[in-house]
Amino acid sequence: NAGVTQTPKFQVLKTGQSMTLQCAQDMNHNSMYWYRQDPGMGLRLIYYSASEGTTDKGEVPNGYNVSRLNKREFSLRLESAAPSQTSVYFCASSEQGRVNTEAFFGQGTRLTVV
Amino acid sequence: AQSVSQHNHHVILSEAASLELGCNYSYGGTVNLFWYVQYPGQHLQLLLKYFSGDPLVKGIKGFEAEFIKSKFSFNLRKPSVQWSDTAEYFCAVNSYNFNKFYFGSGTKLNVKP
Repeated sequence: NAGVTQTPKFQVLKTGQSMTLQCAQDMNHNSMYWYRQDPGMGLRLIYYSASEGTTDKGEVPNGYNVSRLNKREFSLRLESAAPSQTSVYFCASSEQGRVNTEAFFGQGTRLTVV
Repeated sequence: AQSVSQHNHHVILSEAASLELGCNYSYGGTVNLFWYVQYPGQHLQLLLKYFSGDPLVKGIKGFEAEFIKSKFSFNLRKPSVQWSDTAEYFCAVNSYNFNKFYFGSGTKLNVKP
C-alpha cells in the first residue's frame, strides 16, 4: 500500500533548465494537489486537480505547469527553473465530494536551483 | 482565498509540560479541519481531523483538538509532551465549497528532555 509516490526525492537544477516532478497515488482519489513548502510560509498550493481531466491554479502557479495524466498521476513541470523555485515540493491526494478525506502526502521532492 | 492563522511560530517546552497550539481560520461556511505533524526531514502526517459531530476530537499520540465554531478556532492540545513530539505542526482547513486545503504557516515545537 504505497499511498502517494513522488519522484525524484532530490534534484539540483541549473537556472533555466526544465524538469518534471512525477506523482502517483494508488488510493483511487479524485483530487490531487501540488504544494511547495518554504520556511515560515507553510504549504502553498501551486496547482490542483479536482478530477481527471481538470486542473486549476492555486496560490502560486507562476513558473509551473501541470498535467493530470490519468486518475492516478499528476505531474508538475518547471519549464525554466529559477532560484526562487528552490523549495520542497509535496504532492497530495484526497477524495472530495460524496465522501471526503484528509489530504494524503507524498514524501516530497527537495529541489535546489543554482 | 481562505486563510489559516497559527499564532505560535516557535514553542519550546520541557518534557511533561502541557501544550496548546492555536489555529484560526477565515471561512464562514461549513469546514473540515485538520492538524498535521511533520517530523524533521519527513512528509506531513495526519494527527487528527474534524468533519462533523463532537467538536472535541481525539487523534494519535495523545493529541486532541477542539473546534469552536463561534471563534473560528481549532486549537491543538496535549496534556504532557514528550521529547519525541519535537516537530512542526500545521493546521489546515477545507470545505466542500472549495476543493483545496489551506494550511497555516506552521508551529515548530521543540521539547527539551
